[in-house]
Amino acid sequence: GAVVSQHPSRVICKSGTSVKIECRSLDFQATTMFWYRQFPKQSLMLMATSNEGSKATYEQGVEKDKFLINHASLTLSTLTVTSAHPEDSSFYICSAKERQGTSYNEQFFGPGTRLTVL
Amino acid sequence: GNSVTQMEGPVTLSEEAFLTINCTYTATGYPSLFWYVQYPGEGLQLLLKATKADDKGSNKGFEATYRKETTSFHLEKGSVQVSDSAVYFCALRNFGNEKLTFGTGTRLTIIP
Repeated sequence: GAVVSQHPSRVICKSGTSVKIECRSLDFQATTMFWYRQFPKQSLMLMATSNEGSKATYEQGVEKDKFLINHASLTLSTLTVTSAHPEDSSFYICSAKERQGTSYNEQFFGPGTRLTVL
Repeated sequence: GNSVTQMEGPVTLSEEAFLTINCTYTATGYPSLFWYVQYPGEGLQLLLKATKADDKGSNKGFEATYRKETTSFHLEKGSVQVSDSAVYFCALRNFGNEKLTFGTGTRLTIIP
């Protein structure tokens, strides 16, 4: 089946630094990728939708200058958390939708990246 | 707006027990409903889905029926196995919209 990977799986950084998280579709082309954030005991919250070759669409309340998303190819999207602070510590999950989607247009999810900002 | 309310966990059951994880939703229009499962160290996987009222989704022994009158989509399995231990997420998606709205997830642990 369709596989989505994320790298790194876990990252710890100092406050004020920037962190880049990669999301790759390994065996399919993804025109659309989604970035979610999950706090402990809370649901996944959609942060932004990115389409290959165009600017990401951010959800209300998500700072686009803080969470930079790049979707430069059909298999790779990156999320950069700029000037990270402890409140940015969270679990970040990406998903990808196949280019040749089924009528359902299923999203395939990565395993997530745990970010801890000290 | 859309919202999904899930039974809080964690849930611990013995092997071969009957499982129910409750899910209710609020949505405009006629959403599609989903159950996703996340095994340790892996991404969310689609477990089953239903796209209209009274539809029953089923997979791997799990079932859920789309109940419009009670706005529910409860997940059931007649006899759970240790390998069913995972986190289960209920979700909905409005017609013509790519966005998924998730519940908080329910951690299920099955003990031998």
